[in-house]
Amino acid sequence: DIQMTQSPSSLSASVGDRVTITCQASQDISNSLNWYRQEPGKAPKLLIYDASHLATGVSSRFGGSGSGSDFSFTISSLQPGDIGTYYCQQNHNLPYTFGLGTKLEIK
Amino acid sequence: QVQLVQSGAEVSQPGASVKVSCRTSGYAFTGYSIHWVRQAPGQGLEWMGRISPNTGATNYAQTFQGRVTVTRDTSLTTVYMELSRLMSDDTALYFCARALLLPGYYYPLDVWGQGTTVTVSS
Repeated sequence: DIQMTQSPSSLSASVGDRVTITCQASQDISNSLNWYRQEPGKAPKLLIYDASHLATGVSSRFGGSGSGSDFSFTISSLQPGDIGTYYCQQNHNLPYTFGLGTKLEIK
Repeated sequence: QVQLVQSGAEVSQPGASVKVSCRTSGYAFTGYSIHWVRQAPGQGLEWMGRISPNTGATNYAQTFQGRVTVTRDTSLTTVYMELSRLMSDDTALYFCARALLLPGYYYPLDVWGQGTTVTVSS
């Protein structure tokens, strides 16, 4: 199985800050990397697919980059509604695997 | 609009089985695979398996092989996930989610159900 290593595990930032989360795959996964945001008790929501493509209806403040095994997710200007836990996930192969998540809080 | 609506919360005893449903609507049922992902309390997301509704073909995570069965009813556009020989560690929030189904590639999980809480307790 492909292992996904995500960092940091938690992050506290101020409104307006630029925030970056990284994700590393245990092997080359091309651009088969997605990012989700989850609020407590709710379903994850797809934000970025294929490493850098914005999902429908998602704010352009969110962005993704990378290919191969190293990826990053960025929020250009943090807003209060962005709090939650962010997960990376690979769909290069089955089984789909997720990073352990980054819990984002407002300072 | 596209919707995945899951059945309600379940409480089951250790050793028993539980069956969760995922009723889909608003899109071509056979054009998307349905995946199951679970989340134990305070933990991350764990992929369990998927079904291709057109053929009924399934794939399961090794962790759940022999304990999980995913089926579908095309007339009801509904997918079912049954987990057997339940243990306390199976207490979790279970999600269904869809992904585009085309040969030769795997796709992201773009629409999710609301989740079903399964509690395993004696």
